[in-house]
Amino acid sequence: GQNIDQPTEMTATEGAIVQINCTYQTSGFNGLFWYQQHAGEAPTFLSYNVLDGLEEKGRFSSFLSRSKGYSYLLLKELQMKDSASYLCAVDTGGGNKLTFGTGTQLKVEL
Amino acid sequence: DAGITQSPRHKVTETGTPVTLRCHQTENHRYMYWYRQDPGHGLRLIHYSYGVKDTDKGEVSDGYSVSRSKTEDFLLTLESATSSQTSVYFCAISELVSEGFRQPQHFGDGTRLSIL
Repeated sequence: GQNIDQPTEMTATEGAIVQINCTYQTSGFNGLFWYQQHAGEAPTFLSYNVLDGLEEKGRFSSFLSRSKGYSYLLLKELQMKDSASYLCAVDTGGGNKLTFGTGTQLKVEL
Repeated sequence: DAGITQSPRHKVTETGTPVTLRCHQTENHRYMYWYRQDPGHGLRLIHYSYGVKDTDKGEVSDGYSVSRSKTEDFLLTLESATSSQTSVYFCAISELVSEGFRQPQHFGDGTRLSIL
């Protein structure tokens, strides 16, 4: 089976840094994706990790440790518009299929 | 933005009626997917397609069928809708670059389906 865990909710302050963790146990692994989803909208792609280490994209960074089955998404200089759900998804192989976690609802406060 | 159009965007129907949702893409991508999203469950794969007339089941395929007669169109059908199929349905597309590197899936805007 496939199991992907992430916290349900997090709250952070505008201008701060927040780290959203994701742990996974899957039968196959071809990479891990992070998506952002605002309420009532479609998920949008943020990052992809297939090798161990840190990938940086502006205010967003994503880290992967394949041996630990662990990833995190780091958001710096938080803005109110970063309030959204963040989805961790693993490509388990065969047809480019993704298995998603249930998402972490991030609330950014003043 | 990826050229993905889902129709209809909203639909209300009654239990027992057939429902077909359409996903249309202009990107000529090989892979297409149907997901449902429910509170507490996240996105769950219903069916996917890896080419014209090539489809396979996902995690929650019971009660759903799909068809792909053209590269650009992927249809999801609920043969006899039930209240448990009330959900938000997302279509996604992707292309495979190589076995060791995946392209991200890009999502349509979703269809909100209510079955009364």
